[in-house]
Amino acid sequence: DADVTQTPRNRITKTGKRIMLECSQTKGHDRMYWYRQDPGLGLRLIYYSFDVKDINKGEISDGYSVSRQAQAKFSLSLESAIPNQTALYFCATSDPVSGGELFFGEGSRLTVL
Amino acid sequence: RKEVEQDPGPFNVPEGATVAFNCTYSNSASQSFFWYRQDCRKEPKLLMSVYSSGNEDGRFTAQLNRASQYISLLIRDSKLSDSATYLCVDASGGYQKVTFGTGTKLQVIP
Repeated sequence: DADVTQTPRNRITKTGKRIMLECSQTKGHDRMYWYRQDPGLGLRLIYYSFDVKDINKGEISDGYSVSRQAQAKFSLSLESAIPNQTALYFCATSDPVSGGELFFGEGSRLTVL
Repeated sequence: RKEVEQDPGPFNVPEGATVAFNCTYSNSASQSFFWYRQDCRKEPKLLMSVYSSGNEDGRFTAQLNRASQYISLLIRDSKLSDSATYLCVDASGGYQKVTFGTGTKLQVIP
């Protein structure tokens, strides 16, 4: 089983709908992240959290919100999805002891029509 | 200028060949870099760190050139399984400022 699990893996939705992407991890890491990946743009940070009470905006947080329900769970919400939010979304975790390595989930492919 | 730039490729090389990718960075103060590998439609995974003194792991060698502000990845004796996209990462800004390049695609041909 994957250490970082994302659900759903694929989702097609319509403009204006609310979408939640969920991430859970068994690595015991405090630090969790949400990235999106677009062709030609690379991975960009949406939100990050260093512990349950800590939430921080990343490079492209507009249109997104997050919830850190527990150390192991970090959810990303799109309150009103729009087509330019069509992308591949990755959750990641890290631990300072690991020297900066990011451990990614398998990704959630979201299509907004 | 992008903070981290990579040639998108694809680099098509025969099995057994040696191939090298460069990645340029714009922040002259940057000191912490990584190479990640990403297979098609999969998540990125750490390949190796890039140390100022260079880093070798089997067939893979990573180098940092501060004067010219680029890092490199050399793959010797290419295998079919090396076919993937290689992402350059500048982690010098801490976890909130990890900048990924757009990746270089490698295709190793039989």
